[in-house]
Order: sequence, then C-alpha cells, then structure tokens
Amino acid sequence: DADVTQTPRNRITKTGKRIMLECSQTKGHDRMYWYRQDPGLGLQLIYYSFDVKDINKGEISDGYSVSRQAQAKFSLSLESAIPNQTALYFCATSNSGGPHQNEQFFGPGTRLTVL
Amino acid sequence: QKEVEQNSGPLSVPEGAIASLNCTYSDRGSQSFFWYRQYSGKSPELIMFIYSNGDKEDGRFTAQLNKASQYVSLLIRDSQPSDSATYLCAPLSGGNNRLAFGKGNQVVVIP
Repeated sequence: DADVTQTPRNRITKTGKRIMLECSQTKGHDRMYWYRQDPGLGLQLIYYSFDVKDINKGEISDGYSVSRQAQAKFSLSLESAIPNQTALYFCATSNSGGPHQNEQFFGPGTRLTVL
Repeated sequence: QKEVEQNSGPLSVPEGAIASLNCTYSDRGSQSFFWYRQYSGKSPELIMFIYSNGDKEDGRFTAQLNKASQYVSLLIRDSQPSDSATYLCAPLSGGNNRLAFGKGNQVVVIP
C-alpha cells in the first residue's frame, strides 16, 4: 500500500477551470508539502503545512490555494487554471521529530495539462 | 547566488565506474543534507542524508560534506545501468526547516 497517495494521477483541463489535486498519507506525519516540477527547473515549493492549523506559502504560491482538512489530507487548488501551470505536481510529507525527522517522502505525482 | 547549485548536464559513466556528483549551497545555517534519486517521470526517493562533516557510506553510495566550503557530494561506486537517473541535492534550511532542492545531476550509466 502506498504511504502517500495523490489523486488524480493525470488530469487534462481547460484554461479558466478550477481544479483540485488531493493528497492523503498514512505515515502519521505532521508536515505536508506541495511541489511542482517543470522540465529542467527542479522542484519548486508551492505551499506547505506543518500541522493542521498551519499553512505557509512557498516560492510560487500565486494562482494556487491549499486546504489541510486533516493531518492526513492536504489538497491543492488551482482557482483558474492557465497553460503555464502545466506541470508534474508532487505531494510530500515529513515528520517534525523522531529518527527520520525532516526526511520528505513523496507521492507518485499528478501530471496536469492545462489546454 | 542560487540557493542550491548542481551541474545538471548529463554525466555519462561506464558501467562499473564511479560517478561523482557535486552540490554547493548558500545557506550557512543548513545542518542536514539529503540526496534523492529521481527516475524520469517518477517521484523522488531518498537515498541518504548526512549532517556531519566528512564521509558517510551506505552500500555503493558515499555522501561527503564540507560545511566550511558549503559543499556536499555523492559518489556512486560500481555504477549500474539502474543508477541512470537524476540526483537531487537538498539542504535543510537553517531558518525555516524546509528542504531547498537543486535542479539535479543527471547520470547516464553506459553498459
């Protein structure tokens, strides 16, 4: 069973549509992250959450919003999708304590295409 | 200066040789450093981490850290075709407990 799951795995949408990407984890981690990856640009942090009541902007939060519905769930929304948001999106989790603190574990990714 | 710099150009190594990957970082407050491997179209997976100056070995992988020079490297010994991937360097920021990812070093192991 996957510890970090993302839905959907692939999504094609049109400019102007609102879409939501969902992330769930069974690792019991308190911290969750959303990244996007474009070819040749590495991973860019969109938003992160250190606990249920904590939401923080990352490097490229414009055009995105998030919701931490529970410790295990962190969703990413594109309010009005535009073509340059076409990318591979990853959710990640980590623990604030313990022997593996700060190690981030990634979900399988969502490939989003905005036409 | 970029926060994390890696030479992203493909590094081609023959099978069985040593691949040497370099990473420099700008945040002097960084104390922990993570190396991830990412196959094309897949998610990053953790290979190892290091937080003390010197070398740390794990199987065929060795991480080397020099905090004074703000430099961390990864050696892959006895390179195998399955090691062909992009390797991401990620220092843990000293100020906000976030990982800062480099663009990655692409490795191609030639059989």
